This record gives sequence, C-alpha cells and structure tokens, in this order.
Amino acid sequence: QVQLQQWGAGLLKPSETLSLTCAVSGGSVSSSNYYWGWIRQPPGKGLEWLGEINQYGLTNYNPSLKSRVTMSVDTSKNHFSLNLSSVTAADTAVYYCARVVVPFGEAYYFDYWGQGALVAVSS
Amino acid sequence: DIVMTQSPDSLAVSLGERATVNCKSSQSVFYSSNNKNYLAWYQQKPGQPPKLLIYWASTRESGVPDRFSGSGSGTDFTLTISSLQAEDVAVYYCQQYYSTPKTFGQGTKVDIK
Repeated sequence: QVQLQQWGAGLLKPSETLSLTCAVSGGSVSSSNYYWGWIRQPPGKGLEWLGEINQYGLTNYNPSLKSRVTMSVDTSKNHFSLNLSSVTAADTAVYYCARVVVPFGEAYYFDYWGQGALVAVSS
Repeated sequence: DIVMTQSPDSLAVSLGERATVNCKSSQSVFYSSNNKNYLAWYQQKPGQPPKLLIYWASTRESGVPDRFSGSGSGTDFTLTISSLQAEDVAVYYCQQYYSTPKTFGQGTKVDIK
C-alpha cells in the first residue's frame, strides 16, 4: 500500500520560504509510471494545483505561482519536496502531496494523497 | 485556464436516495485521438485528504463502491451516488487534467436530509 508522509514548518512570517517534504513508502519516486505533485487548500476553500515533478526532475508548475515555486526529488531518500518563496497570508493553506498517475507519458490525476500539512503565514 | 464549475454548491438527500453532482468545464476536456475525457472526481471528508473516486470521467477507482458512477463528455459531466449512505457525506470535487494548469471545481457538499 502506497503511503505519503509529509512534514515541514507550520508557521511562517511573510516573505519567508515555505518548505515541505513528502516521503513515499510502498512505492518508488523513481517509477516511470508516476509523477509527484503538490496541491493546496486554503481553510474552508477549494483545491489548487501547484505543480508536479518526475524522477528526472522534470517539472510542471502552475503559472500563477511559477516564479515562486521550486520542486525537487531525491531518489536516494525516496522523497520529494516543495519550496514556495516570498510567502504572504494568501499562501495560508493545507498543503497536500500526491502521486500523479502517468498512463500515456503525461501526468494526469491523483491517486494517493498525503495527510496534509497546515501552513500558516502570519506576522 | 479551464474553469470548472460545479452545481449545486450543496445538496441534501435522504438515505438510500440518489444524489447527483454536476460539473461543467469552460472548454472541452475530450481528447478525440484516444476518445477519452480528461476528468476525475474526488471525495473529501472533513479533516481528510481528497480520495480518488472516478477517472477518465467514468472509470471507477479500485475499491470504490459501485453506487458511485461518472458520466458525461466534452464539457458536461455528472457524478451520481445511486443510493446515498451515511458514509458518503462529504465534499465532492471534479478535476480536469486535459491541460495545464490542472484545475478543480469549487466543490459540492453532499449531506443527509
């Protein structure tokens, strides 16, 4: 059974950098059948896709955040990470990591999700 | 960006009755070369991450009860719960993966009447 366990700082000040890591168990980030993605959900609101990365470090980012987002993958540790720079209160959300299914060579839907990590930005 | 609009925002259905959630995309998510609609449905219960229910608009994920079904094509899609159970109380989201950025509907809250 695939499990995604995520962690990172929960309280940030404006202008700081958000950093989250997601460890994969029961599967490998090196698999060519999957990408590894991040999605966030502001309190009481809907879901926003942030981006995704494959085992080679190839990324797709949401253009709305592209200048601030960096994703990385560490195949030796079987985990992947999200950095979001220059955070503001608008970045307060539950951040989820997820496995992205790649049936035809492109990343599509999310079949396994991490438990979520609440990140609050406040001065 | 493809905008996904769900309706209604919330609905309440009696136990054992049918619940229907609609999702409309601002442009077609049907890819003619493989005859597939690039649409998924998720269920999110309070305090939990979303759970994949349906992909390719109508393919049920392994382990999902068969009372959940997806239909539609092009720009109009429907998630149907044929006989609502207490454990189905949740918010349901549609998501398109036809183009980047992937986008979700705003969610539909399903409750018991």
